[in-house]
Amino acid sequence: NAGVMQNPRHLVRRRGQEARLRCSPMKGHSHVYWYRQLPEEGLKFMVYLQKENIIDESGMPKERFSAEFPKEGPSILRIQQVVRGDSAAYFCASSSQGASSYEQYFGPGTRLTVT
Amino acid sequence: QKEVEQNSGPLSVPEGAIASLNCTYSDRVSQSFFWYRQYSGKSPELIMSIYSNGDKEDGRFTAQLNKASQYVSLLIRDSQPSDSATYLCAVIAGNEKLTFGTGTRLTIIP
Repeated sequence: NAGVMQNPRHLVRRRGQEARLRCSPMKGHSHVYWYRQLPEEGLKFMVYLQKENIIDESGMPKERFSAEFPKEGPSILRIQQVVRGDSAAYFCASSSQGASSYEQYFGPGTRLTVT
Repeated sequence: QKEVEQNSGPLSVPEGAIASLNCTYSDRVSQSFFWYRQYSGKSPELIMSIYSNGDKEDGRFTAQLNKASQYVSLLIRDSQPSDSATYLCAVIAGNEKLTFGTGTRLTIIP
């Protein structure tokens, strides 16, 4: 009974490098959400995707960040040219439906450290 | 004004007592309300969801919703040391994204 899977669990990147974070939703779930948790701050929504579609990216920084959820394979959150301020925990959640009455379940997160 | 507000705590409760966690939200069109538990260094874990006014009970947990007052609470009965964690209130208002409060840190004292 696999839950939401994320990898890697820990990622260290030097400033200017690229970070790729992967998320496989829970079985039977086709809706994926990415959230970011900065140190000592709350969880903030970044982007909501369904297969091959970005539904809402209102929380995503306009530059350097992108997300995809291809027909086959996991959802990818990509951060180009990372800066120290990108250091955070990035969580993926999935749900079986996009309607607000459906619960979102979180993966273990990827902890990104930018040196 | 923050969209979802919680007292950051820490809230200390003796073992066996009732822990009461509160949350207010600003958007009147909010439809769905959730409580997540997050242990230090771990991911949020869904413990309760509530969609209509009133109480919803699940084991030792009771969620209470009052949409007129824009208020949602979580009661934990017979508190255990393992309940020590940060509790996050989250709301969905007209779209599918969760808006979180900053969380209340709960400590159960043995």
